[in-house]
Amino acid sequence: GENVEQHPSTLSVQEGDSAVIKCTYSDSASNYFPWYKQELGKRPQLIIDIRSNVGEKKDQRIAVTLNKTAKHFSLHITETQPEDSAVYFCAARSGFIGEKLTFGTGTRLTIIP
Amino acid sequence: KAGVTQTPRYLIKTRGQQVTLSCSPISGHRSVSWYQQTPGQGLQFLFEYFSETQRNKGNFPGRFSGRQFSNSRSEMNVSTLELGDSALYLCASSRGGGGNYEQYFGPGTRLTVT
Repeated sequence: GENVEQHPSTLSVQEGDSAVIKCTYSDSASNYFPWYKQELGKRPQLIIDIRSNVGEKKDQRIAVTLNKTAKHFSLHITETQPEDSAVYFCAARSGFIGEKLTFGTGTRLTIIP
Repeated sequence: KAGVTQTPRYLIKTRGQQVTLSCSPISGHRSVSWYQQTPGQGLQFLFEYFSETQRNKGNFPGRFSGRQFSNSRSEMNVSTLELGDSALYLCASSRGGGGNYEQYFGPGTRLTVT
């Protein structure tokens, strides 16, 4: 089955700097890659996603890139703010039937004021 | 549009008991997936239901089961509870249909087994 690895497990950046979180997946048939943000005690919140026919997608300060050849995708947050502090999860959807997501192990991002 | 809701939000059960959790998806969403979240194992897929049929199943023992009703609401059941079943159980809904639709999570049910 699909396996998703996520790095780093923890990340601290100065407010205003950029943060990058990287994920790799194993199933070349995976075709959908969402990113979720989970604040303490809250539900995972979908923040951005990318489909396999696209190489990059941006939404304000957040961007995701996908390299299908390397089976690698990354989340980029620019101009970080204290409210960006949370745990971020990458995920991959593989197969052609169903909505099963395989998640990475999460990255705890801390923004230092 | 109302988001995904789950009931109850918190549960405390004793080993050997069984429990039923409920999930109401976003209106119009036909797919409901269930995930278990623990500090050690992260987010793990349990199963997915679409149009009242289980479409995918994760690697969990048969004590974990689920169902979906005609209004897309879903329930999951855990029988013969074990201490290791203590976790946050999250459901997520999407439009389904195999179109790589976004999944939106509910607030979760925090299950504690003593």
